[in-house]
Amino acid sequence: EPEVTQTPSHQVTQMGQEVILRCVPISNHLYFYWYRQILGQKVEFLVSFYNNEISEKSEIFDDQFSVERPDGSNFTLKIRSTKLEDSAMYFCASSEIPAGMNTEAFFGQGTRLTVV
Amino acid sequence: AQKITQTQPGMFVQEKEAVTLDCTYDTSDPSYGLFWYKQPSSGEMIFLIYQGSYDQQNATEGRYSLNFQKARKSANLVISASQLGDSAMYFCAMRTEGFQKLVFGTGTRLLVSP
Repeated sequence: EPEVTQTPSHQVTQMGQEVILRCVPISNHLYFYWYRQILGQKVEFLVSFYNNEISEKSEIFDDQFSVERPDGSNFTLKIRSTKLEDSAMYFCASSEIPAGMNTEAFFGQGTRLTVV
Repeated sequence: AQKITQTQPGMFVQEKEAVTLDCTYDTSDPSYGLFWYKQPSSGEMIFLIYQGSYDQQNATEGRYSLNFQKARKSANLVISASQLGDSAMYFCAMRTEGFQKLVFGTGTRLLVSP
């Protein structure tokens, strides 16, 4: 069964450093998303991406964050100058068609980011 | 604004019994979809079931069913014949028309005991 793959599964970084979280969406999917989940809290939407453009973003997704599809298979989230409060589980998701009412978004297993 | 409320931080159920996980939502948009996801201890998010705001019948997927009461703005998940493997965190989420994002509730941790 096709799945969304995220690497690494766990990353530890020092405050102020830049990190890149990687995702390989399902191959025929065209719409990509990042969500984050701070430990013990709810899952929060960050950004959606289609056709090499951000199609929707939340207030959390400020200038510290950027997304990119550097090639035909990868989708990345870059966090510049990490802060302690960026520590969270980051989920990548993808869907075949636009996220409409009944479109299931397939989630990856997540990358746990720890900023120390 | 869209909001999902899950008031049960934790629920306990014995194996083979049914359990209901509560979810209420708030939106002024007439067109929306409601989703339930399961998050086991391994961390991944697993899609369980979907209910559209215009669907006439309650959604069912195997042992999962959604008790959708539109007037009360509730979309409770019912798990029948609980299994030990059902122990996990369960999230209710909503998407409204015109938006890409899913809005999640705070989740309910379900523990199934033998």
